[in-house]
Amino acid sequence: SAVISQKPSRDICQRGTSLTIQCQVDSQVTMMFWYRQQPGQSLTLIATANQGSEATYESGFVIDKFPISRPNLTFSTLTVSNMSPEDSSIYLCSVVPAEGEREQYFGPGTRLTVT
Amino acid sequence: QKEVEQNSGPLSVPEGAIASLNCTYSDRGSQSFFWYRQYSGKSPELIMFIYSNGDKEDGRFTAQLNKASQYVSLLIRDSQPSDSATYLCAGDAGNNRKLIWGLGTSLAVNP
Repeated sequence: SAVISQKPSRDICQRGTSLTIQCQVDSQVTMMFWYRQQPGQSLTLIATANQGSEATYESGFVIDKFPISRPNLTFSTLTVSNMSPEDSSIYLCSVVPAEGEREQYFGPGTRLTVT
Repeated sequence: QKEVEQNSGPLSVPEGAIASLNCTYSDRGSQSFFWYRQYSGKSPELIMFIYSNGDKEDGRFTAQLNKASQYVSLLIRDSQPSDSATYLCAGDAGNNRKLIWGLGTSLAVNP
């Protein structure tokens, strides 16, 4: 299966700043997603990262707060903008490797703490 | 509202026993189902997926799907302490390949 890396693995940021998280895959993949996982909670889908076009956001998430880029089939970024302590969470990217598949594989995650 | 429901647990079993994890789903249109294992502080890891009614076995793991009852289960035979983790059940949400996630069941395997 695809090898997925995320940078940074963790960060501590001040309120009001922004952080960009990178997701890199070692092979081309058909779908990429961004999730948030609060401590002790399940996964919440933020958006689907679309290659070469605007991301598709889930209810409750907006582009101004979580801009996403996906310039090619192996790379995506998620920016958490104007952060507040409520944004403290683990952010995960996942991929569906190939057309016809439905299984998602996750990167190692980025642990964000906002002070 | 499409939902996937799991008993949050914790489920506690002795080492060597069979652990049974259960999941129900509301959307009859869901066709494929996934079980992920998540260790504390780690990201979810796919362990099984099932698309057809019946059983699917992979080593110590067996996934069971009953579409008529809208029920999915995961059996772990010969449970080991290393199986102690949270198990997430997910079902597909349609053609967009998004998944609907349960809240997870915490499993503790006691030596």
